[in-house]
Amino acid sequence: GAGVSQTPSNKVTEKGKYVELRCDPISGHTALYWYRQSLGQGPEFLIYFQGTGAADDSGLPNDRFFAVRPEGSVSTLKIQRTERGDSAVYLCASSLRGTSRYNEQFFGPGTRLTVL
Amino acid sequence: SQQGEEDPQALSIQEGENATMNCSYKTSINNLQWYRQNSGRGLVHLILIRSNEREKHSGRLRVTLDTSKKSSSLLITASRAADTASYFCATDVRNSGAGSYQLTFGKGTKLSVIP
Repeated sequence: GAGVSQTPSNKVTEKGKYVELRCDPISGHTALYWYRQSLGQGPEFLIYFQGTGAADDSGLPNDRFFAVRPEGSVSTLKIQRTERGDSAVYLCASSLRGTSRYNEQFFGPGTRLTVL
Repeated sequence: SQQGEEDPQALSIQEGENATMNCSYKTSINNLQWYRQNSGRGLVHLILIRSNEREKHSGRLRVTLDTSKKSSSLLITASRAADTASYFCATDVRNSGAGSYQLTFGKGTKLSVIP
């Protein structure tokens, strides 16, 4: 079985542009998470989906960031009017259930976003 | 914000030696997990220890948890060059409003194992 996949692996864009980052979770996993990792830091939580709905978006830094998961599988993280400070590795993870207190999250390889 | 803090920030050892990394956290937890990350990309889950457990083993890994001190340690025995990576602890904290469990990570320990 395939693990979590993310595309693209690298994305270079100019300040002010719009970008979309895609995540394919492990088949059958109902919970999906997005994290952002800046250089030298640990991953920071952005948003959590249970099925199709965003159950917890408390980590999104501002309204330029938005994520969807329309069919409860693939998710897209969307960033509008990108800023240089958005440059980071964006990690996606999935787990069987987000409501289990012992859930193990499986991470994708990440998308390295560079905003020039 | 980051809940956990790993110590040391960087560790360099010879192959065959043991490596010990520590993690401290701030709030009550349900469990604590350790992850490994190579080359700043995807994280690999290593081990999960529940809040009511004190020690857990998995192969060459040994994890301890002291909830009274809000700390955990990860011991890698007989290290290999392939163990070179960054190691993160993550605490699993319940978001009661969303009914979910978020992972909050520390900044990590960068381990270098010299052949």
